[in-house]
Amino acid sequence: DAGVIQSPRHEVTEMGQEVTLRCKPISGHDYLFWYRQTMMRGLELLIYFNNNVPIDDSGMPEDRFSAKMPNASFSTLKIQPSEPRDSAVYFCASSPGLAGGRGSYEQYFGPGTRLTVT
Amino acid sequence: KNEVEQSPQNLTAQEGEFITINCSYSVGISALHWLQQHPGGGIVSLFMLSSGKKKHGRLIATINIQEKHSSLHITASHPRDSAVYICAVRSESRIGNQFYFGTGTSLTVIP
Repeated sequence: DAGVIQSPRHEVTEMGQEVTLRCKPISGHDYLFWYRQTMMRGLELLIYFNNNVPIDDSGMPEDRFSAKMPNASFSTLKIQPSEPRDSAVYFCASSPGLAGGRGSYEQYFGPGTRLTVT
Repeated sequence: KNEVEQSPQNLTAQEGEFITINCSYSVGISALHWLQQHPGGGIVSLFMLSSGKKKHGRLIATINIQEKHSSLHITASHPRDSAVYICAVRSESRIGNQFYFGTGTSLTVIP
């Protein structure tokens, strides 16, 4: 398996623009997580899905952020409009879930998308 | 107050030293994760624990549920162990699983 795939790897955009980050989880994994990492706040969980359903979005900073998972193999995190304070590395991770046995909630991280908003 | 506290925040060690990173948490948990993030940015899950102790090569993770404390040990440390180590806990609630993260311990191993 190729692991968790994220695109783009780097994104530079101007304030006010819409940004869409994409994630392909590992096939067969039931859980998908979106994280944000900054120097100031460290790693933060934004939202996670179980079987394509959003379970907890309490980490989403505000209404400018939205996440979708239209099917088991694809998720997007959208920021509209983007602001300079959104600059961060955004990680996607997936996890097997209860069917995974020993590693049921072990998370596999993607390489991250480095977002810079100017 | 953070639900997960790690110590130390920064650690420098000589190659070959035995290293311990600590994690304390204040919530009831169903599992605890140790993550490793290398300078290049990639994150790897090292361990997932709910009790006792696990070992992978030179890495050992222990957890004491009663004391709400976990330790990550590195034996015979090597410069390639230089990374940020993050403790994360999963807590079950009415709405599902809640995840809390420590701020990380930055480890530098000097040759």
